[in-house]
Amino acid sequence: DAGVTQSPTHLIKTRGQQVTLRCSPKSGHDTVSWYQQALGQGPQFIFQYYEEEERQRGNFPDRFSGHQFPNYSSELNVNALLLGDSALYLCASSPGTSGGKYNEQFFGPGTRLTVL
Amino acid sequence: AQKVTQAQTEISVVEKEDVTLDCVYETRDTTYYLFWYKQPPSGELVFLIRRNSFDEQNEISGRYSWNFQKSTSSFNFTITASQVVDSAVYFCALSYFRDDKIIFGKGTRLHILP
Repeated sequence: DAGVTQSPTHLIKTRGQQVTLRCSPKSGHDTVSWYQQALGQGPQFIFQYYEEEERQRGNFPDRFSGHQFPNYSSELNVNALLLGDSALYLCASSPGTSGGKYNEQFFGPGTRLTVL
Repeated sequence: AQKVTQAQTEISVVEKEDVTLDCVYETRDTTYYLFWYKQPPSGELVFLIRRNSFDEQNEISGRYSWNFQKSTSSFNFTITASQVVDSAVYFCALSYFRDDKIIFGKGTRLHILP
């Protein structure tokens, strides 16, 4: 059973460019969350997708957008890249709403984005 | 306000020593979860433990133990007889019953010296 997968592993972009990161959730999971982890910091919640809609959003500008496909995979798009967007981007998947039970999140290996 | 504070940025101990990683959290909610994750150099977050706010029982898993005290809003993590493989960044985190968003502390980088 494959866990959460992310692509690409590493990416280098220049300021002003746009980037798309991809995530495939663990089998049986329909909810995908994205986190940004800057160097030396803890991961910060960007947003969460469920049923192809953005369900929650953290404190990130509109340059950060996402999408979820019918097969539950997800993309994170960042426009007009800034140097400060350099970070490890982590994807986590979980099963959907489960009537009050905790939805365990499983994290992928991340995509390391460097903006020059 | 919701916040997780890990005051220890970096800790170094010699192998076989015991080490405790501190975590203090702030929340106004009464229903929440607390977590510890390990992040080795590869970058992937490894889940270690989850406790809910109604369960203050301490937990032991092999060389790992956790001390949850609501009175001091702390959820400390102790590694007994540390090993070089324990070297990693450890994150304490918080989330709520009402949603899945996880709030992480800044992490403690642990070096176990041979």
